[in-house]
Amino acid sequence: DAGVTQSPTHLIKTRGQQVTLRCSPKSGHDTVSWYQQALGQGPQFIFQYYEEEERQRGNFPDRFSGHQFPNYSSELNVNAVLLGDSALYLCASSQTWSYGYTFGSGTRLTVV
Amino acid sequence: TQLLEQSPQFLSIQEGENLTVYCNSSSVFSSLQWYRQEPGEGPVLLVTVVTGGEVKKLKRLTFQFGDARKDSSLHITAAQPGDTGLYLCAVSNYQLIWGAGTKLIIKP
Repeated sequence: DAGVTQSPTHLIKTRGQQVTLRCSPKSGHDTVSWYQQALGQGPQFIFQYYEEEERQRGNFPDRFSGHQFPNYSSELNVNAVLLGDSALYLCASSQTWSYGYTFGSGTRLTVV
Repeated sequence: TQLLEQSPQFLSIQEGENLTVYCNSSSVFSSLQWYRQEPGEGPVLLVTVVTGGEVKKLKRLTFQFGDARKDSSLHITAAQPGDTGLYLCAVSNYQLIWGAGTKLIIKP
């Protein structure tokens, strides 16, 4: 049973470029959340998608946007990336109202 | 101010020693989760505690939820190098709210 799959695993972008990260949730999960984790820190919540709509959003600028597709997979888009956007981006899936979150291995974004 | 305060932030001990990591808050939670994360990987759920005073064991790891459901601890007995990692506590409210983590290094 595949867990959460994220792609790509690593990404290097130049300041000002746009990036798209992808996430396939664990089978049976319908909710996808995205987190940003800087080195040595705990993850920071970006947003959560359920039924193809953004249900909750953390304290991130509008440059960060997302989408959820009918098959529950999700994308995270970051426009005009900044050096400070360099981080590990984690996708977590869950069943609605469930305690359990399953995380992917993340996408390491480096902005140069 | 962080909702969840984890201590210590960093711990480096010898193989075979015991250790305790703490997760404290002034808020009451319906449940609390502990995760372990290795470098370059996503966090992996270790346990969810939901009842005040609850104690859960996972091999050499013992998790306790405080009676008032404001704090939790993780105790590792006879630590092994494979226990090395970042230990994170988190509470769920649509999103996961995380502590800053305890970076644990077990030296052989």
